[in-house]
Amino acid sequence: DTAVSQTPKYLVTQMGNDKSIKCEQNLGHDTMYWYKQDSKKFLKIMFSYNNKELIINETVPNRFSPKSPDKAHLNLHINSLELGDSAVYFCASSHHTGRETQYFGPGTRLLVL
Amino acid sequence: GEDVEQSLFLSVREGDSSVINCTYTDSSSTYLYWYKQEPGAGLQLLTYIFSNMDMKQDQRLTVLLNKKDKHLSLRIADTQTGDSAIYFCAEPSNDYKLSFGAGTTVTVRA
Repeated sequence: DTAVSQTPKYLVTQMGNDKSIKCEQNLGHDTMYWYKQDSKKFLKIMFSYNNKELIINETVPNRFSPKSPDKAHLNLHINSLELGDSAVYFCASSHHTGRETQYFGPGTRLLVL
Repeated sequence: GEDVEQSLFLSVREGDSSVINCTYTDSSSTYLYWYKQEPGAGLQLLTYIFSNMDMKQDQRLTVLLNKKDKHLSLRIADTQTGDSAIYFCAEPSNDYKLSFGAGTTVTVRA
């Protein structure tokens, strides 16, 4: 029933660790996104994928590596976590392009200690 | 969001109307969106308006669009405590991303 799902919902980890967040959509959409929401609630695009191909990489450090095994999944792997990576990460999807309605997942709350 | 601006806070009494304002920059945007984020929750699409419309009404929500001034507003009639949330205005800034405003925190007081 869930349209865009993310796991885990909460992630608490130590600095320097490597972690992954998974996202799946069952809407049949072609395009998926990762957004970051910082402590001031600002939302900013990180990556966009269309049909498994990277379209946008918005000056994100290369410690962040997205992977799209198929159109329905977009995972985010983060190496060598830093304190500043603490944020809420939202996955989203849209039918074809970002000019169409984007549907968001529930978010993954990452806390780096 | 550098291209989309909103005021940060709004306090309203229960039963009154709330009006949240937003200015955007990209005149080629096809749709403009309002998302709602309740405390500790994800982003919920609240409503949207197509750029060739001036107004859209959906139950207690009214969206007004002034394309000349690039101004978008969201009016919530008969505001309830469940309307307390952060409201984000968003526009597509290219084919593959949304630019968000900073969010307006609406607090409904009894």
